[in-house]
Amino acid sequence: SAVISQKPSRDICQRGTSLTIQCQVDSQVTMMFWYRQQPGQSLTLIATANQGSEATYESGFVIDKFPISRPNLTFSTLTVSNMSPEDSSIYLCSAKKPRQEQFFGPGTRLTVL
Amino acid sequence: GNSVTQMEGPVTLSEEAFLTINCTYTATGYPSLFWYVQYPGEGLQLLLKATKADDKGSNKGFEATYRKETTSFHLEKGSVQVSDSAVYFCALSDQLGRGAQKLVFGQGTRLTINP
Repeated sequence: SAVISQKPSRDICQRGTSLTIQCQVDSQVTMMFWYRQQPGQSLTLIATANQGSEATYESGFVIDKFPISRPNLTFSTLTVSNMSPEDSSIYLCSAKKPRQEQFFGPGTRLTVL
Repeated sequence: GNSVTQMEGPVTLSEEAFLTINCTYTATGYPSLFWYVQYPGEGLQLLLKATKADDKGSNKGFEATYRKETTSFHLEKGSVQVSDSAVYFCALSDQLGRGAQKLVFGQGTRLTINP
C-alpha cells in the first residue's frame, strides 16, 4: 500500500506564529484529509483537501485559521495560523484511493508555547 | 450526528490474557466500521473492518463483529502479546458530499500488555 510522510515530525512554536505542515504520498491518491488529535482525545477531521480547488472544512474549522493547499494528486499542506497553546495537537494527514480504506501518515506533533 | 463511544482506558493486561475493548456507535444508515491501531511513535494503521451487519473483521488474531441490533463493534483477541501494546481506535465511515466519506473516531483506548 502507499506510504505517507509528513514534515516536520514535531515542532515547538511561539504563540502568534504560523506553521506549515507538509504531507507527501508516494503514489497518486484521489482524496486527502487533515485530522487533529488533541492531547488525550480522539481524531477530528479538519478538512478534505481537494486537488485544484478550495478545501472542504468541517464545522468548527475555517480557512483563515487552517489554510490548506493541494496542488497535485500526491501532495498537500496544512498551515496552522496565528497559533495559540490550544492548537497544541498532533496533526495527521490521511489519503484514500478508490475501493481502498483511508491510510494515515505518522503525524506532526505541535506544541505551542 | 454520527458518533462512536469506546470503553475508557487505559487497559492493562498480562500476556496471554483475553482482550475485549467495547465500542458502540450511533449512526443513520449503514456505515462501515473499523478498528485502527496506533503503535508507539507510529501513525494509525487499519487493523480490521466490517462493511455490513453480521460481518466479522479479523486480522493478527483480533476480531470484531458488526452487530446492528446492539450497534456494537467490540474488539476481541484470545491471547494478547506484549507487542499488542498500543492505542486502539474504533471508527465509522460517515458520508460527506459527492460520495466522499470521512471517518468518525472514538476516543481511543490505550492498551498495555505486561510480560
